[in-house]
Amino acid sequence: DVKVTQSSRYLVKRTGEKVFLECVQDMDHENMFWYRQDPGLGLRLIYFSYDVKMKEKGDIPEGYSVSREKKERFSLILESASTNQTSMYLCASNHRFLEKLFFGSGTQLSVL
Amino acid sequence: KNEVEQSPQNLTAQEGEFITINCSYSVGISALHWLQQHPGGGIVSLFMLSSGKKKHGRLIATINIQEKHSSLHITASHPRDSAVYICAVPRREYGNKLVFGAGTILRVKS
Repeated sequence: DVKVTQSSRYLVKRTGEKVFLECVQDMDHENMFWYRQDPGLGLRLIYFSYDVKMKEKGDIPEGYSVSREKKERFSLILESASTNQTSMYLCASNHRFLEKLFFGSGTQLSVL
Repeated sequence: KNEVEQSPQNLTAQEGEFITINCSYSVGISALHWLQQHPGGGIVSLFMLSSGKKKHGRLIATINIQEKHSSLHITASHPRDSAVYICAVPRREYGNKLVFGAGTILRVKS
């Protein structure tokens, strides 16, 4: 079975801190995605990557950056965390865009 | 108007009831995804369908491409079916990346 692993299940950070969220997949998927999920808003795409060192902005990239130095790992970086970035963050991956998407278990981030 | 609309937003059912969750979309698509998210858990892909009907256990998904509508049915519902059900469609003009509905929160009582 495909496994998408997110490094932390719960994370509490202070305003202004730099935050790293890590995601690793073990099925050699080309595409990796970072979403945030907020009540009533559904999942919104922050950034995605279709290859090593390649990245594209999603719908809500402001305040975030990403890094993909290795195919299996996709990192989401909050340069200076703010309270409005408190959310559930979900990583996902697949081979191609029209194929089934595999999700990690999510990181609930609280910024105080 | 959201590109993907789900109804109802919340649904409470008694164990054993037949459940239907609806999804309407406004863009042309090649396939539609149904996803399940348990409380505090990650998201699991249930179905990906482009026409007709698919069945897996007690879950049935149907799609009508002409009417831009899909339904997810749960037969003989059970408390373990309690979850958020999300439909998603690829947005062609955006490289086929998925756009998601807001989800339907289902609670099945015993």
